Amino acid sequence: GENVEQHPSTLSVQEGDSAVIKCTYSDSASNYFPWYKQELGKRPQLIIDIRSNVGEKKDQRIAVTLNKTAKHFSLHITETQPEDSAVYFCAWGDGQNFVFGPGTRLSVLP
Amino acid sequence: NAGVMQNPRHLVRRRGQEARLRCSPMKGHSHVYWYRQLPEEGLKFMVYLQKENIIDESGMPKERFSAEFPKEGPSILRIQQVVRGDSAAYFCASSPPASGRSNEQFFGPGTRLTVL
Repeated sequence: GENVEQHPSTLSVQEGDSAVIKCTYSDSASNYFPWYKQELGKRPQLIIDIRSNVGEKKDQRIAVTLNKTAKHFSLHITETQPEDSAVYFCAWGDGQNFVFGPGTRLSVLP
Repeated sequence: NAGVMQNPRHLVRRRGQEARLRCSPMKGHSHVYWYRQLPEEGLKFMVYLQKENIIDESGMPKERFSAEFPKEGPSILRIQQVVRGDSAAYFCASSPPASGRSNEQFFGPGTRLTVL
């Protein structure tokens, strides 16, 4: 069935360093790739998304890249700050299905 | 424009009781999704509804769980005869009526169900 793999499951970085989280999907028809951030005890919130007709999108310190051929997309966070510590979920949608990855727990160490 | 509303935020039930979780989507949104999240785990899809229709319930347990989204009023997730394993956070999300499931889903604050 449809699924998405997400790596790493946990990630610790020093404040100011970059963090990269990668997701791999299986459905060639996928056309929407969002990333959600969930802080402890809070709701998931969209931080950035990309559609299949675009290869890269950037919003300040956050960027997402999409490789349709290899069926993977990545979240890049630069100049990490302690408030970036959270669980990050990737997802993909193809109009019929919407699937979340298992999540990556990011810890930014001061 | 109020976001997705869920109530109650916290719900405590004893084993065997019924739990009713409510979700009011954002204004103008006609698609509602329910997810379950166990502690330290990811978001598990349960059901996708549009007004008066269940579109996809592939993630719903076959017994004790049901969902509806009536023409008027909130969407309701009902869990009958709750067991301790039902203890989790239940999130509702909504999206606008366009291009199926290829749009941002806006999440509510969740209902934290505890079964004693």
